[in-house]
Amino acid sequence: EIVLTQSPGTLSLSPGERATLSCRASQSVSNNHLAWYQQKPGQAPRLLIYGVSTRATGIPDRFSGSGSGTDFTLTISRPEPEDFAVYFCQHYDYSPSFGQGTRLDIK
Amino acid sequence: QVQLQESGPGLVRPSETLSLTCTVSGGSISVYHWSWIRQSPGRGLEWIGYTYHSGSTNYNPSLKSRVTISVDTPKNQFSLKLSSVTAADTAVYYCARTRVGWETVYFFDYWGQGAQVTVSS
Repeated sequence: EIVLTQSPGTLSLSPGERATLSCRASQSVSNNHLAWYQQKPGQAPRLLIYGVSTRATGIPDRFSGSGSGTDFTLTISRPEPEDFAVYFCQHYDYSPSFGQGTRLDIK
Repeated sequence: QVQLQESGPGLVRPSETLSLTCTVSGGSISVYHWSWIRQSPGRGLEWIGYTYHSGSTNYNPSLKSRVTISVDTPKNQFSLKLSSVTAADTAVYYCARTRVGWETVYFFDYWGQGAQVTVSS
């Protein structure tokens, strides 16, 4: 079972300041089998990125995903006020797992 | 636009069975796989299992002995039953459309709003 560890736990930034969120896997992830989600308070997670770097339908291009092997990154180039939320990574698997999340806070 | 809506009791007594239903609108349940996922402060997001319109299922090994997921194609619904619940099963339960390939769960592209279920006497 692959364990996903996200860092930092909380990231405090000003709107417009580039956000870099990390997801590290305990074993190498094959075939770009990683997705990212955004969750706002009281809402369900929303799919942002799948296949490491493909944006889901309707996701703005300020969101981008990258990485390979065990290290993956979600970048928000110029966060808007509505982007301050919690972000989760998820590994594709027979029994998929999620990271514990990174909270993006407004400084 | 596909929409999912969870329904069911918000309070379940310990040792009893938790039952939830997810109603899918805006699309046929006969095309994709459909999952249940739960979220709690202590356990984070946890995938419970999925079903397909054929009735085939796949469950999280850690919950497999207590979980049954079934599909009702004419009603465009699928359901979750979790038996012998304890306080540790208290969580927000989500239903979600699931992309699957070669028995590998890929990702979840549409989610319901979530249903809070509390296990307490």
